[in-house]
Amino acid sequence: EPEVTQTPSHQVTQMGQEVILRCVPISNHLYFYWYRQILGQKVEFLVSFYNNEISEKSEIFDDQFSVERPDGSNFTLKIRSTKLEDSAMYFCASTPLAGGRGNTEAFFGQGTRLTVV
Amino acid sequence: SQQGEEDPQALSIQEGENATMNCSYKTSINNLQWYRQNSGRGLVHLILIRSNEREKHSGRLRVTLDTSKKSSSLLITASRAADTASYFCATPYYGNNRLAFGKGNQVVVIP
Repeated sequence: EPEVTQTPSHQVTQMGQEVILRCVPISNHLYFYWYRQILGQKVEFLVSFYNNEISEKSEIFDDQFSVERPDGSNFTLKIRSTKLEDSAMYFCASTPLAGGRGNTEAFFGQGTRLTVV
Repeated sequence: SQQGEEDPQALSIQEGENATMNCSYKTSINNLQWYRQNSGRGLVHLILIRSNEREKHSGRLRVTLDTSKKSSSLLITASRAADTASYFCATPYYGNNRLAFGKGNQVVVIP
C-alpha cells in the first residue's frame, strides 16, 4: 500500500540552527501539506503546496519557514533559525485532490519529532 | 473559523465494550473525517463522512453526522486493546485545503 514517508524520524538541533525535514508524498498525489503537533496539543496546519507553489499557509508559517519540491518526489520543510518553541512533531501529508473540495482523505507520514535545545 | 472539537473526555474501557466519542464544529462543511493516532506515531485516516450522509460504517466503526447540530460521533464496537489510541476529528475549511483538527480523545482499552 502506498505511504507517505518522512525522514528523519527524530532530529535534535541547537537553537538558531537551520533544519530541513524531508518527505516523500504518495507518487500520484497532487497536494502536499505540512502540519505540526506540539506535545499534548492539537495538530495544526502549516502550509499546503500544489503545482509547485504554496496554495495556502497559516499564521504559524512565517518567514522562518519555507517549503520546496526540489525534484519529482521529495517535499521539504525548512526552518531557517530554529527556536525552542519549534519543538514539535511535524507531519507531512498528501492528497490526490484538493483536501476540502475533493472530499478526500489525507495520507499522513509517521512524523519527524523535532527537538530544539 | 471552523474547527473540529471533540468532547474533552479520556475514555478507559474494558476490552469488548463500546467506545463513543463526539465532535462538534462551527461552520459549514462538505465532509468530516476521523483519524487515529497511536502514541508518538502518525495519523491514520479511519473514515470520511460527507455532509449529505447521516451515518457510515467501516468494520467496527460507526460514524454519524448531524449537520443541523454541527456534530459527529464515532463509535467503536467490541473494542480491542489495539484500539488504544487518540482519536481526532477533522474538518476541511470549505472550499479550502487545510484540515482543522480537534484536541483528540484518548481511549485506553484494558485487556
